[in-house]
Amino acid sequence: EAQVTQNPRYLITVTGKKLTVTCSQNMNHEYMSWYRQDPGLGLRQIYYSMNVEVTDKGDVPEGYKVSRKEKRNFPLILESPSPNQTSLYFCASSGGTGAREKLFFGSGTQLSVL
Amino acid sequence: TQLLEQSPQFLSIQEGENLTVYCNSSSVFSSLQWYRQEPGEGPVLLVTVVTGGEVKKLKRLTFQFGDARKDSSLHITAAQPGDTGLYLCAGLTIYNQGGKLIFGQGTELSVKP
Repeated sequence: EAQVTQNPRYLITVTGKKLTVTCSQNMNHEYMSWYRQDPGLGLRQIYYSMNVEVTDKGDVPEGYKVSRKEKRNFPLILESPSPNQTSLYFCASSGGTGAREKLFFGSGTQLSVL
Repeated sequence: TQLLEQSPQFLSIQEGENLTVYCNSSSVFSSLQWYRQEPGEGPVLLVTVVTGGEVKKLKRLTFQFGDARKDSSLHITAAQPGDTGLYLCAGLTIYNQGGKLIFGQGTELSVKP
């Protein structure tokens, strides 16, 4: 089944403790992206990747890192999480050029930073 | 910063009523996508509109892209409880390689039986 898999689904952590949210897609998509979703703000793009070893900042990249060493994986790293990073995070991938084609979203990761 | 203003933010209606959700911007988009999101899940694409003035229909849902490609609307006829969810518009700007999709704030729709 074609899908985008994020882990974990829920995560509670404390300020300053490094964490990684994994994202994997099995559709051989070149484009992958991370978003955060906050009430009243919609989805805001954190980072995106047009292909392996190519990443770029979205609208809210501060406090986040990503890497794209393989086509299928696009992990999101929070080196020193802070409470303002408490949010619902989504990973997405697309088979077209960038985001021109349909985006396939994961089921989300609810992160709470205490 | 490019913005996509979506309205209304919340909508609570009775089954059988019609409704329209609007998505407006001062920016021109090369295409605009509409997604629907249910609690605990990621957004799922409903439709993409590309040409100015384009109208697409998906059963009881009608999507329109403005002539100037700055705005879009979603009209639902005879809403059903199964239409309940968060509706998101997302615009692809014309000044990049296709990497940035700008999302509206979302419209939370509740259709009561």
